[in-house]
Formats: sequence, structure tokens, C-alpha cells
Amino acid sequence: KNEVEQSPQNLTAQEGEFITINCSYSVGISALHWLQQHPGGGIVSLFMLSSGKKKHGRLIATINIQEKHSSLHITASHPRDSAVYICAVNTFNTDKLIFGTGTRLQVFP
Amino acid sequence: EPEVTQTPSHQVTQMGQEVILRCVPISNHLYFYWYRQILGQKVEFLVSFYNNEISEKSEIFDDQFSVERPDGSNFTLKIRSTKLEDSAMYFCASSGERDSPLHFGNGTRLTVT
Repeated sequence: KNEVEQSPQNLTAQEGEFITINCSYSVGISALHWLQQHPGGGIVSLFMLSSGKKKHGRLIATINIQEKHSSLHITASHPRDSAVYICAVNTFNTDKLIFGTGTRLQVFP
Repeated sequence: EPEVTQTPSHQVTQMGQEVILRCVPISNHLYFYWYRQILGQKVEFLVSFYNNEISEKSEIFDDQFSVERPDGSNFTLKIRSTKLEDSAMYFCASSGERDSPLHFGNGTRLTVT
């Protein structure tokens, strides 16, 4: 069983829709990351959080440590948001990130 | 905004050859990482590097692999005697502190034929 699970695996939306991507993990973590991988392959860090909620522009990330669950929300989605969104976690006393398999989002005009 | 740069963007090599993947991390960062992503699979941790030595490595990072920071700016991943299954996208990343967000390079796509 994967230590980090994401859902859905694939997501299509119409421009303007509200998007939610979910991440559940089974290990104790010190932090959780949301990353965006562009079609060309490059990875950009969106959020790093260990509690509560963070907002950046149209993106919102939340985490519930007790439930071992995080969500990434995109408000007023746009075709340029089309990418793979990846959840990854830091466990305690380790440098490595453990990655989820990603959620492929396509937003159509 | 400073960024992590990786070269080359695409490397094709024959099985059994040695390759060196190069990375220039953000200049004031202290923690350096290599990750890889086999096509269609999730990203996997290879190695972390701090204070001029490996701080952690995964099971994947066996004797075939080595890392070096030869001159205070470059951070290299050497793969000796490449195998077909080494074909993947290799990402370099750096961070200023251990518990701060990672900055990734755009990756080097390695194709072993």
C-alpha cells in the first residue's frame, strides 16, 4: 500500500469550476508539500504546510493532522492550471520526500 | 527569482556508459537532493547532501551512483555503467534549510539505449 495516496487520479473541469484534490497519508509527518508538475516535466513547489491552511492567489491548501488528510483547492480554475498536482510528505528524522502518484488536471475553456 | 538549473535537459547514452548529470543549486542553499521519475511512475528520492557529504540515501542509490559538489556551485550525479532501467527524468532540488520548501530544477531526461 502506498504511504501517500491521492484522489482522483485524473480530473477534468470546465474553466471557472472549483477544483479539489485530496491527499491521504499513512505515516507520521513533519510537513506536507503540494507540488505542480508541468507538461514539460518541471516541478514547482506550491505549498509546504504542517497545520491549518495556506492560501496563495487562487490556490488553497488545508491539512488535518489528526485525520492524516490534506486538500488542495483551486478556485475559478483556468486552462493554465492544467498540470499534474503532486502531494509529498516529509516523515520525522528523514530528509526524503515520499511522493504520491499525482492527480492529472485538465481544465477546458 | 533565483532558480535551480540542470544540464543537459536530455541525455542519450548507451548501456554500460557513464553519465554525469549536472545541477547548479540556488547559491545560498545548503541542502541538495536528487530525485528520479521513471516514465509514468511517481517521483522517488535518491539522495540528500549536506555539508559536503551524503546525509541520506535510498535503496535505489547503490554503488552505481555517486554525488559530488566539486566546486561550491555545481552538484553532480554520476551514474556508472548505465542500465536500461536507469532511463528516467532526474530532478535536482535544493533548500535553504532542512525544513523549508524545495526548489526543483527542470530535470534531465536520461535515455539509456
